[in-house]
Formats: sequence, structure tokens, C-alpha cells
Amino acid sequence: AQSVAQPEDQVNVAEGNPLTVKCTYSVSGNPYLFWYVQYPNRGLQFLLKYITGDNLVKGSYGFEAEFNKSQTSFHLKKPSALVSDSALYFCAVRGWQAGTALIFGKGTTLSVSS
Amino acid sequence: ETGVTQTPRHLVMGMTNKKSLKCEQHLGHNAMYWYKQSAKKPLELMFVYSLEERVENNSVPSRFSPECPNSSHLFLHLHTLQPEDSALYLCASSQGQGGAGTEAFFGQGTRLTVV
Repeated sequence: AQSVAQPEDQVNVAEGNPLTVKCTYSVSGNPYLFWYVQYPNRGLQFLLKYITGDNLVKGSYGFEAEFNKSQTSFHLKKPSALVSDSALYFCAVRGWQAGTALIFGKGTTLSVSS
Repeated sequence: ETGVTQTPRHLVMGMTNKKSLKCEQHLGHNAMYWYKQSAKKPLELMFVYSLEERVENNSVPSRFSPECPNSSHLFLHLHTLQPEDSALYLCASSQGQGGAGTEAFFGQGTRLTVV
């Protein structure tokens, strides 16, 4: 069975500092990994994904994520945080089989202070 | 705007009521999903439809009944709900046959309160 773990309920950073939101996964075969962001009372917005190729994936709003197969991790990063980045972030995984749904982690709340 | 529209945005219903949530996607996708998001809990996958056929049902109580009349529309029929069913219900769609690497697009959600 596939699963995702986000070990931190909350991450606090100061504006302008780099941020990392952690994600580890478990899946049979090659993983397809995704990051989403959710603002209050809104649906989830797609940020970026890893399918194959370069381990560093770049996405929307200056976010990037690094795929590490040996550590089964897919951490979300941004070099310089903005207050407007404060939101709930979800990591998700889909196994090799097309047509199956994304399985999500429990989410990490990112709080960026000015 | 993601191309996935959910109505209503907010719904308050009594435990004996019957109501339906609606989801519509304008993206030409052929897979649609219902997720439940409760406070302090992971996103729970409820139902998966691929090519209008239900392919997954994650042990959801029968008081939730999905319907997918065509590839653009998905409903969640609700009856005799419990207060613990209060949550944000999210609809999503993806190009299911486009490969496992395709992302899902989400609607804004319906905030359901059962009183």
C-alpha cells in the first residue's frame, strides 16, 4: 500500500529565510510525487510534481522539491520565504498504476512571520 | 479558478435531511474523486470514478452515495448524516488514463455542517 508521511504539523520561519517542509513516502515501484498548497477555505492548488528525470523539481511561486530515492523523501523548499506563503501544504503520492487516486499526507502548516 | 466547480460552497443540514453535493469539471478529464477533509486529520479518499465507473470505495458509510452520470459531473448524495460527518468535501479530477504522473485539480470544496 502506498502512503505519505509529513512528520511536522507546523513549520515556522521568518520572512526572507529559507524554508523546508518534509515529506517521506512509501510506494511499490516508481513513485509519482506531488505537492499541493491550501489557503483557508479553499481547495488544494497544485504546486509541483516529480515523475522522472532531474531530482530537483521547480514549481509555482518559487517553490522547488528534491526527490531522494535512497531516503524515500520529497522535501519542499524555497530559498526565501514570504508571509504570503503561509498556508497548509500537502504532499501526495501515486503509485505506478494510472487511474488511481492521489494519497495525501496529513498536511503541514507553514507560518511565515514578518 | 481550476476548472473544477463545486456547489454549494456551504451547506447546513439536519440529520434527517437529504441533500446532494455537485461537482463539475471543464477540463476534459476522465477520472473524478471525492475527498473528505476534517480538522486535524489527513485528507481521506472516499470514492474514485474512472471513465464513469466507480473503481474505488474506501469503506465509506452507505449514508454517502456517489453518482457519476457522465465524465464531467460527479454528485455526492447525503442522507441521515451524523454530526461527525461535518467537514470540507473536496472534488477533484484528473486525466486518469493519461498516466500516473498527471496531477489532480481540485474544486473549492463544500463546507458541510450537520446539526
